[in-house]
Amino acid sequence: SAVISQKPSRDICQRGTSLTIQCQVDSQVTMMFWYRQQPGQSLTLIATANQGSEATYESGFVIDKFPISRPNLTFSTLTVSNMSPEDSSIYLCSVVAGYNEQFFGPGTRLTVL
Amino acid sequence: GENVEQHPSTLSVQEGDSAVIKCTYSDSASNYFPWYKQELGKGPQLIIDIRSNVGEKKDQRIAVTLNKTAKHFSLHITETQPEDSAVYFCAASKGTSYDKVIFGPGTSLSVIP
Repeated sequence: SAVISQKPSRDICQRGTSLTIQCQVDSQVTMMFWYRQQPGQSLTLIATANQGSEATYESGFVIDKFPISRPNLTFSTLTVSNMSPEDSSIYLCSVVAGYNEQFFGPGTRLTVL
Repeated sequence: GENVEQHPSTLSVQEGDSAVIKCTYSDSASNYFPWYKQELGKGPQLIIDIRSNVGEKKDQRIAVTLNKTAKHFSLHITETQPEDSAVYFCAASKGTSYDKVIFGPGTSLSVIP
């Protein structure tokens, strides 16, 4: 398995500002993923982050709104830019480890006022 | 692309009874089916998974069955306990570390003491 930590665990932000979420893994992993989970909903993949290359975004998500960094094999950041109340969600990072199993971090709970 | 459906959306059972959650998927190329448990305020936790080369897998009180012909799979929890109360998500993917995992909408399970 993999142990994943995220910072911050929660935040309350003003509209128009940006928040950067950090994801740290306890082992080197090739694939890292960022998900959004809106209140009471399932998980929606935002993008896949590979070390040393541009992130790959899913339909409906763009780099200008959700820029991602992946500087090494244990760390990634997701920025939520120019936030609006509709961005209020839980943001989760996940990694593939073990026998191609996907593990999730504890999530960052974002509220935009 | 892959689409995963999940039923029921909510489920209440008496402590000690069994709970069954059913999922269907659309992409016949999917061959990896994980189940996640998400407790309030936490990230999803992988509880069991099954690959297409087996029809059933069991881990203590939890079992998963897979019918590839019908493209459906199920989670069975026996002897339910209050701590089993959570939201459960089924998911499907093509099974490599590079493949997206598509999640079902979730089932909120309540175990009544």
